[in-house]
Amino acid sequence: NAGVMQNPRHLVRRRGQEARLRCSPMKGHSHVYWYRQLPEEGLKFMVYLQKENIIDESGMPKERFSAEFPKEGPSILRIQQVVRGDSAAYFCASSGTSGSRGYEQYFGPGTRLTVT
Amino acid sequence: GESVGLHLPTLSVQEGDNSIINCAYSNSASDYFIWYKQESGKGPQFIIDIRSNMDKRQGQRVTVLLNKTVKHLSLQIAATQPGDSAVYFCAEEMRGGSEKLVFGKGTKLTVNP
Repeated sequence: NAGVMQNPRHLVRRRGQEARLRCSPMKGHSHVYWYRQLPEEGLKFMVYLQKENIIDESGMPKERFSAEFPKEGPSILRIQQVVRGDSAAYFCASSGTSGSRGYEQYFGPGTRLTVT
Repeated sequence: GESVGLHLPTLSVQEGDNSIINCAYSNSASDYFIWYKQESGKGPQFIIDIRSNMDKRQGQRVTVLLNKTVKHLSLQIAATQPGDSAVYFCAEEMRGGSEKLVFGKGTKLTVNP
């Protein structure tokens, strides 16, 4: 059973370009979460999605950032017009909907975004 | 601000010793707590969790203690091994919300051979 998949693992973008980060949840999971981690810091929640719905985007910057989790395909975190401050590791997590371990969030390996 | 924090940013122990990593939280509405281990260049890996209706939970070589009175969480690792070297994060989840996790800043554990 494959875990949470994220790609690319490393992404380099120049200032002003767009970054698209992809996340495929674990099989059977319908909840996806995106977190951002700056060096030497903990993870910060960005957005929580279920299929075709954004449940909580309270951690998303108001501009340039968007996320989706379509009915088919991976979840996408999109950052438009990237700036140097967007450089960070972006982690995706997924969870199932039921069971005693239904709350556990399983994390992917992350995408390390570098803005030059 | 963050509602979950850690007392010590770094911890160094000898191989074979027991390790204790501490965490304080401030939101009394949180009812689910998790410890994650993060190795360099990797995503957080689930270690153990505990719900607010419990005081203690044991896993393989790890024990989590929850003291709701002082809002304190600890992770005990028995017979620490070099492979335990990593950054450890506690996280809390608030029931009734969106199930997002609030992470502390982490404690870097170094195990000396």
